[in-house]
Amino acid sequence: GAVVSQHPSWVICKSGTSVKIECRSLDFQATTMFWYRQFPKKSLMLMATSNEGSKATYEQGVEKDKFLINHASLTLSTLTVTSAHPEDSSFYICSAEAGQGVGYTFGSGTRLTVV
Amino acid sequence: QQQVKQSPQSLIVQKGGISIINCAYENTAFDYFPWYQQFPGKGPALLIAIRPDVSEKKEGRFTISFNKSAKQFSLHIMDSQPGDSATYFCAASSSGNTPLVFGKGTRLSVIA
Repeated sequence: GAVVSQHPSWVICKSGTSVKIECRSLDFQATTMFWYRQFPKKSLMLMATSNEGSKATYEQGVEKDKFLINHASLTLSTLTVTSAHPEDSSFYICSAEAGQGVGYTFGSGTRLTVV
Repeated sequence: QQQVKQSPQSLIVQKGGISIINCAYENTAFDYFPWYQQFPGKGPALLIAIRPDVSEKKEGRFTISFNKSAKQFSLHIMDSQPGDSATYFCAASSSGNTPLVFGKGTRLSVIA
């Protein structure tokens, strides 16, 4: 139980285009999901907290207009990287808390490469 | 300000040995302390977690030791195997569906 499915697992896009990453909780409802970014050989950095039915909360330094987050249902949150540039290339990971007894579950991550 | 400090940055252990990774935290509001294992190109996978009401938790070869007064916790991997070679992250969070704060990670290599 407590599975978070993230798609796509990898994507290559051209500079200036937008890319959408989906994060779904498969067997539990998640009113809150978290989006992280991870650079090679580095730790996970929290980008934003996604709240179902309301606006996301972004961490300091994260551009709201570039990283659009939508949490339209209790099982789906999406992250759209708009007008992507090569410096946006990174590993993006979503997470949700499945309950006190289960803890936080992570998606398998999305490797974004902007060329 | 780094809220969770993790050491060492890298660790090499002989097969069958004990791997020990340490973390220290600053925020006394933290009440959940998990350890995650991550392989290249994959998302982190929960290994084991502890709450402050106990000082130790063991699951198979993995043990968390927790020292509330020192604000430190550690992961011990007994009988380390080459398949344990991965990056390990400690993390912490407070109650209320708040995000995890991660340590910088430890790259473990278990050699035969």
